[in-house]
Amino acid sequence: SQELEQSPQSLIVQEGKNLTINCTSSKTLYGLYWYKQKYGEGLIFLMMLQKGGEEKSHEKITAKLDEKKQQSSLHITASQPSHAGIYLCGADGRTSGTYKYIFGTGTRLKVLA
Amino acid sequence: DAGVIQSPRHEVTEMGQEVTLRCKPISGHNSLFWYRQTMMRGLELLIYFNNNVPIDDSGMPEDRFSAKMPNASFSTLKIQPSEPRDSAVYFCASSLRFGQTSYGYTFGSGTRLTVV
Repeated sequence: SQELEQSPQSLIVQEGKNLTINCTSSKTLYGLYWYKQKYGEGLIFLMMLQKGGEEKSHEKITAKLDEKKQQSSLHITASQPSHAGIYLCGADGRTSGTYKYIFGTGTRLKVLA
Repeated sequence: DAGVIQSPRHEVTEMGQEVTLRCKPISGHNSLFWYRQTMMRGLELLIYFNNNVPIDDSGMPEDRFSAKMPNASFSTLKIQPSEPRDSAVYFCASSLRFGQTSYGYTFGSGTRLTVV
């Protein structure tokens, strides 16, 4: 079955620093999505990537999907306390012949002021 | 559009009681998903529907859990009887699926369930 692995599991950075979160799939991704969440609250959609080599940016957050469409990275430039939360990657995957939406294990980000 | 609407937002119940969680997906979406989130296990897919039909319920923990989608605008997740280990945040999400890809994947605000 297809799985998504995220790294690191948790991250603590000083405000103003850059950081990168990775999401790796065991199989080709048809669509890769990045979300931000505060625990117990709804997931907020950040970006969707579909094509190999695609890169999208929104404010200080940039997401990339590699050419093989098996790995994505989320990069935050000049982090701020407002960036703190749990970042999840999600993907349309295929398991046992059916398509299923799967999530990565999540990366918990803390930004120190 | 008001987004995916879940009710109640919070539920506290005694062990053994029946609990029903409700979800109204975004109008026009053809897929609906129920998730459970805990600190220990993260976000787990319980069941998902496509065009009101349950496609995959392999994530449903046990027979105490059941989900229905009687029409395109409403779904329920029922736990009977509830147990303390069911305490979690339950999310509903909906999307429009064309072939291999989901569009407009949107989560509700969740229902925080506490079973005492």
